[in-house]
Amino acid sequence: EVQLVESGGGLVQPGGSLRLSCAASGFTFSSYWMSWVRQAPGKGLEWVANIKQDGSEKYYVDSVKGRFTISRDNAKNSLYLQMNSLRAEDTAVYYCARDRSGYGDSRVYMDVWGKGTTVTVSS
Amino acid sequence: DIQMTQSPSSLSASVGDRVTITCRASQGISNSLAWYQQKPGKAPKLLLYAASRLESGVPSRFSGSGSGTDYTLTISSLQPEDFATYYCQQYYSTPPTFGQGTKVEIK
Repeated sequence: EVQLVESGGGLVQPGGSLRLSCAASGFTFSSYWMSWVRQAPGKGLEWVANIKQDGSEKYYVDSVKGRFTISRDNAKNSLYLQMNSLRAEDTAVYYCARDRSGYGDSRVYMDVWGKGTTVTVSS
Repeated sequence: DIQMTQSPSSLSASVGDRVTITCRASQGISNSLAWYQQKPGKAPKLLLYAASRLESGVPSRFSGSGSGTDYTLTISSLQPEDFATYYCQQYYSTPPTFGQGTKVEIK
């Protein structure tokens, strides 16, 4: 069964850091682009970042550039999101998602989603 | 970034109704459009991609159409399990961007 399981969410103070993890199983992880997508409480979906199969290309939404870093460990079938300088507006459920590339590059849609992990930034 | 605008933001419908949701892009996206369904407290689920291609396992009552900047998701006969929020997403350019969502409620 194809599965993505996120972990690492929690309550953190503004300016703090958090590292999210996503464990993949049931498919060849190293063959896929992977994304993080978030959803603020009561709001819509916002793509955050994605990473190429070998980690050589990474893309971010403007609002997290310079603060968040996406990475992966293909040997461990794992995806990560290091989040620094957290702000209240980063409060959301963070989903790990498997990408399907429409063009063979970073332009992707998401065909498998994890259940999400909740990040709350508050003092 | 490409802006995606869905309409309506919400709608009320009955079981068996035909439902249509529209998604408009701020520029042409060459059918690079996906549709997702999300139920409360759950992750989104991919329904269609390339504007009209049905994802494996998705019921055939879901269909998509459109071109250029304007796209449509149609549910031919609404079923009880279809009450949810639907999102469109363009992947013509990075960053991929989502519409604001359309909530389909029971009339």
